[in-house]
Amino acid sequence: GQQVMQIPQYQHVQEGEDFTTYCNSSTTLSNIQWYKQRPGGHPVFLIQLVKSGEVKKQKRLTFQFGEAKKNSSLHITATQTTDVGTYFCAGRRGGYQKVTFGTGTKLQVIP
Amino acid sequence: GAGVSQTPSNKVTEKGKYVELRCDPISGHTALYWYRQSLGQGPEFLIYFQGTGAADDSGLPNDRFFAVRPEGSVSTLKIQRTERGDSAVYLCASSIGQSNTGELFFGEGSRLTVL
Repeated sequence: GQQVMQIPQYQHVQEGEDFTTYCNSSTTLSNIQWYKQRPGGHPVFLIQLVKSGEVKKQKRLTFQFGEAKKNSSLHITATQTTDVGTYFCAGRRGGYQKVTFGTGTKLQVIP
Repeated sequence: GAGVSQTPSNKVTEKGKYVELRCDPISGHTALYWYRQSLGQGPEFLIYFQGTGAADDSGLPNDRFFAVRPEGSVSTLKIQRTERGDSAVYLCASSIGQSNTGELFFGEGSRLTVL
């Protein structure tokens, strides 16, 4: 079955440092989404990427979808304590509504 | 309410008992998903409904798990003969429509503990 892996599993950064999480799918995706889950909370949608090579930005967050549509990344510039949480990528295969979540990267920001 | 509602928020049961978890999606959302999340893990897909029908139930772990959505709105996840390994947070999400894009809106989850 489809697998979506993320690295690293955990990341501790000093406040103000940058952070990147990488997402890799075993199959080609029609689109990829990113979610953030705060401790004790539920996943909250951040963004969706659809096109090969697409790059989108939200303030300090930059999202990229790979050319082969099998990988993606999320980069946060100058982390803040409000960025703490677990970041999940989630992908759909072509023609399917099923959304498969990645293993997640837990970010801890040290003030 | 405006969001996805799940009840109960917490359920403690004994091994072997039957459990029902309810999800009330956002009004007008035709797509509904059930996921299971264990501590430190990503949400694990269980089943997806489009309207009243289960369009993809490939994630249900075995025949003890069953889900229904009889009127295309509220859904119930049913677990028979619960086992300790079923302990997890069960998340429900809804999405607006039939295209294969669209964000998932999650509820707060139902935390199931099987003793």
